Amino acid sequence: DVKVTQSSRYLVKRTGEKVFLECVQDMDHENMFWYRQDPGLGLRLIYFSYDVKMKEKGDIPEGYSVSREKKERFSLILESASTNQTSMYLCASSALRGGQYFGPGTRLSVT
Amino acid sequence: DQQVKQNSPSLSVQEGRISILNCDYTNSMFDYFLWYKKYPAEGPTFLISISSIKDKNEDGRFTVFLNKSAKHLSLHIVPSQPGDSAVYFCAASGPSGGSYIPTFGRGTSLIVHP
Repeated sequence: DVKVTQSSRYLVKRTGEKVFLECVQDMDHENMFWYRQDPGLGLRLIYFSYDVKMKEKGDIPEGYSVSREKKERFSLILESASTNQTSMYLCASSALRGGQYFGPGTRLSVT
Repeated sequence: DQQVKQNSPSLSVQEGRISILNCDYTNSMFDYFLWYKKYPAEGPTFLISISSIKDKNEDGRFTVFLNKSAKHLSLHIVPSQPGDSAVYFCAASGPSGGSYIPTFGRGTSLIVHP
């Protein structure tokens, strides 16, 4: 059974803290993605990676960075968390062309 | 500017009837289309897809129709069941520098009443 796991389901951080969200997939997929989901705005792409050490900006990369040192792992980093980064964060992976498999999501609250 | 639009934020249907969820797109380079289903507090799950070389793809109770000339696709669920109540996202992708990165609509919340 295919699996994408995220390090935390719920996270509460303070403004200015550095936040790490980790994602691991066990399907040997080339592509990995980070999205945020906000009410009424759907899924917005933050960053994606199509290979180890490769990354591309999505639609809303500001305030975020990513790291992909191993094929199965893709990390999202909030360098200095702000309240407008309170959201549901979703990681996904896919083969080169195909449906994406999503993790369960991390609900981040920044206070 | 939204390239993938789901104009109905919500849809309410009686159990056993047909649910039709609609999606429009503007980018003529899109050639692969997907539907995802999302329950609260869970990640989206892939439901069904269709390539632009087809106009219909069926999987059990779920059928996706693609009208390329109208840049429109729809998801039909027959018969609808209360467990189908969820948010449905339409997504479209096309070649972009060798990658296929889906663009998502904002979702339609389907409620199936018993």
